[in-house]
Amino acid sequence: QQQVKQSPQSLIVQKGGISIINCAYENTAFDYFPWYQQFPGKGPALLIAIRPDVSEKKEGRFTISFNKSAKQFSLHIMDSQPGDSATYFCAARWSAGGTSYGKLTFGQGTILTVHP
Amino acid sequence: DAGVIQSPRHEVTEMGQEVTLRCKPISGHDYLFWYRQTMMRGLELLIYFNNNVPIDDSGMPEDRFSAKMPNASFSTLKIQPSEPRDSAVYFCASSPLGTGSKNIQYFGAGTRLSVL
Repeated sequence: QQQVKQSPQSLIVQKGGISIINCAYENTAFDYFPWYQQFPGKGPALLIAIRPDVSEKKEGRFTISFNKSAKQFSLHIMDSQPGDSATYFCAARWSAGGTSYGKLTFGQGTILTVHP
Repeated sequence: DAGVIQSPRHEVTEMGQEVTLRCKPISGHDYLFWYRQTMMRGLELLIYFNNNVPIDDSGMPEDRFSAKMPNASFSTLKIQPSEPRDSAVYFCASSPLGTGSKNIQYFGAGTRLSVL
């Protein structure tokens, strides 16, 4: 059972446009929602993350919008650039108590292509 | 710091052969993760260690897979015997204790495994 559903699978945007990637989850045990960016031949790297008690977080051109009641969150890339072309993964962390480490569950990924 | 180092970067082997993937985590990190990435299943957590001790191996697909962490600076993922369906990119990631809500996992560049 897929815990985090991500859409679309691929996205093509013109330079300067807005890229939007959506994720949805069902399990309320998740307590942290990071986004990872992966370039070809590289491992995923943390891009931006949000806690469920916050509705929006912005870092430069990247913004996460979080809707707790709908169990949805999305990544917005403003003024998209060709250098943003990569695969983006949303993820959700299982809530862990004490000193336990919460595991991450990843979405299927979105291949973003930004045309010049 | 050189980051998480994985070797080899590419591995081509024949069905039935033993395959060993290697990982050197970032010095000082307490957690080490092994992931498998395929087009069909996305990024899956196989196993993770805390202070060299396996904590959760529920993602290991079969008994053919085994992972060890003999010391804080080295881990292996072994597949024996290998099968064509094991073809994937295998990532190792490490994370420091006490990251709070950041939960940053640092990924290596991955090992692309092809089983013929």
